[in-house]
Amino acid sequence: EVQLVESGGGLVQPGGSLRLSCAASGFTFTSFAMGWVRQAPGKGLEWVSSISGSGANTYSADSVKGRVTISRDNSKDTLYLQINRLRAGDTAIYYCAKRGGSGHSYYFDYWGQGILVTVSS
Amino acid sequence: SYELTQPLSVSVALGQTARITCGGSNIGSKNVHWYQQKPGQAPVLVIYRDGSRPSGIPERFSGSNSGNTATLTVSRAQAGDEADYYCQVWDSNTVVFGGGTKLTVL
Repeated sequence: EVQLVESGGGLVQPGGSLRLSCAASGFTFTSFAMGWVRQAPGKGLEWVSSISGSGANTYSADSVKGRVTISRDNSKDTLYLQINRLRAGDTAIYYCAKRGGSGHSYYFDYWGQGILVTVSS
Repeated sequence: SYELTQPLSVSVALGQTARITCGGSNIGSKNVHWYQQKPGQAPVLVIYRDGSRPSGIPERFSGSNSGNTATLTVSRAQAGDEADYYCQVWDSNTVVFGGGTKLTVL
């Protein structure tokens, strides 16, 4: 059974930094790209960043580019998201998700339960 | 950047058919995927690659994609289908989500 468990969220002051983690199990982690998707309170889904299975290729949304770093430790089956210079607009539930498909068919077939990040003074 | 347009809300009578659209420029040339999200829960993939269903998703859920519009169809709608639905594509190395549609089952 595929499981994705996020951790590392919480209350952070504006301008601060945070590193989210996602522990994966139930599949061969290194074989699949992974991503982070967030959802601000009462809003829709917003893709944040994705990383290839090897970690060699990363992609991020323009809205967070330069402030986020996605990475993975395949020896620990863990995905990370470092977010710097946090601002109120980053307040959201952050979901870790496993990629399904291949090539131009890119979707997320499994999602974690999400972790809340609140940016406030 | 590529944009996907969904209606804010769709209503359907219990047992009838609901259709949720997702508009995008020449979206028919892309693979479209659909997610269902119920309040307080993580999204669940219900349709991938335009019209394929993951295991465990009822046959009542189907999808199509042509021209500038992709459509998620929910047949014989049940109360448990009431949720937010999001379409999604991959474009220029980015994941793009539609704004979401709230499906209400009357």
